[in-house]
Amino acid sequence: EVQLVESGGGLVQPGRSLRLSCAASGFTFDDYAMHWVRQAPGKGLEWVSGISWNSGSIGYADSVKGRFTISRDNAKNSLYLQMNSLRAEDTALYYCAKAGGGWELLYPLDYWGQGTLVTVSS
Amino acid sequence: DIQMTQSPSSLSASVGDRVTITCQASQDISNYLNWYQQKPGKAPKLLIYDASNLETGVPSRFSGSGSGTDFTFTISSLQPEDIATYYCQQYDNLPPAFGGGTKVEIK
Repeated sequence: EVQLVESGGGLVQPGRSLRLSCAASGFTFDDYAMHWVRQAPGKGLEWVSGISWNSGSIGYADSVKGRFTISRDNAKNSLYLQMNSLRAEDTALYYCAKAGGGWELLYPLDYWGQGTLVTVSS
Repeated sequence: DIQMTQSPSSLSASVGDRVTITCQASQDISNYLNWYQQKPGKAPKLLIYDASNLETGVPSRFSGSGSGTDFTFTISSLQPEDIATYYCQQYDNLPPAFGGGTKVEIK
């Protein structure tokens, strides 16, 4: 059974940093691209970032480019999102999601975690 | 960047009704279009990929069609458990943008 478990969320002051993690199990992690998608309270889904199987292809939403860094450790079956210079508008539930098709970035997201909540407030 | 325009933003229908949601891309995305269902308090779930292919285990009352810039998602006979928000998403180009969502309620 595929499982994606996010952690690392919490309350953080504007301008500070936070690192999210996603622990994956139930599939061959290094065969698939992975993504982060967020959802602000009461709002829709917003793609944040994605990374290919070998970290060779990476993409970011314009809203986080230069502030967030996605990475993965295939030996640990883990995905990460380093978030720096956080802003109030980054407040959201952050989901980790698996790309269904395979190695590269652009595939349907076929499994999602339950999310970790990030609140940016003073 | 490709923009995805979804309509309506909400709808109310009776059990057994046919429900249709549309999604328009700002440029040709071929058939690189997914539909997700998000129930309250839950993570999104992939229902349809490549515009018209049903994900394994998804009931056949759900369907999708379209190509290019115009796409349609249909629930042939609305059931109480279909209460959710539905999102389209293009994956032709980065960033893989989502539509604004359609909240489906029971009348």
